[in-house]
Amino acid sequence: ETGVTQTPRHLVMGMTNKKSLKCEQHLGHNAMYWYKQSAKKPLELMFVYSLEERVENNSVPSRFSPECPNSSHLFLHLHTLQPEDSALYLCASSQGVRGRGNQPQHFGDGTRLSIL
Amino acid sequence: AQSVTQLDSHVSVSEGTPVLLRCNYSSSYSPSLFWYVQHPNKGLQLLLKYTSAATLVKGINGFEAEFKKSETSFHLTKPSAHMSDAAEYFCVVSVPSGGYQKVTFGTGTKLQVIP
Repeated sequence: ETGVTQTPRHLVMGMTNKKSLKCEQHLGHNAMYWYKQSAKKPLELMFVYSLEERVENNSVPSRFSPECPNSSHLFLHLHTLQPEDSALYLCASSQGVRGRGNQPQHFGDGTRLSIL
Repeated sequence: AQSVTQLDSHVSVSEGTPVLLRCNYSSSYSPSLFWYVQHPNKGLQLLLKYTSAATLVKGINGFEAEFKKSETSFHLTKPSAHMSDAAEYFCVVSVPSGGYQKVTFGTGTKLQVIP
């Protein structure tokens, strides 16, 4: 059973739609991450939030807009997406400890996004 | 800077035979290393982690990995493969970056287990 819950599990949308992906963690962690996983490509880190502040944004197009209202919730707002944005979007959380990199990330099961 | 190389994109073994999934890393900092497993349509599940306490690390489901600094390797092994081990495996290197972890994933190794 995962302590990170993602909804919806599957999403089909047209290129002009606006939708949001939701992630909730029940682990008391203070860092949250969005990843994109496409077929035959390495896992791509999109955004990192530490203590509800965005600390990393890896050249992600502006049609993806993250939001972290508190340390337990993370959203990814989507608008005007392209077919190449079809992928599995994974959320993760970790307990960030300053100066230590040994805390593992805990992943949700992802949202499978298909753009028509 | 850090990087991870998983030397095999696909590995095929017979049920009951040993598993070896290879991983090499580079890091300018003393890294923490992890192995994750991903079953179809699922997220990544932590198998084991190395954090400098012991070079041989035991994980869940009978997997273990040995950290070899001289070879910059962190290979994953299991003595006897089970059908349920068929999945994709990711080697990960992590270094601290402020209040979170800067993580680099390998490209993954798909393990096929033949009955």
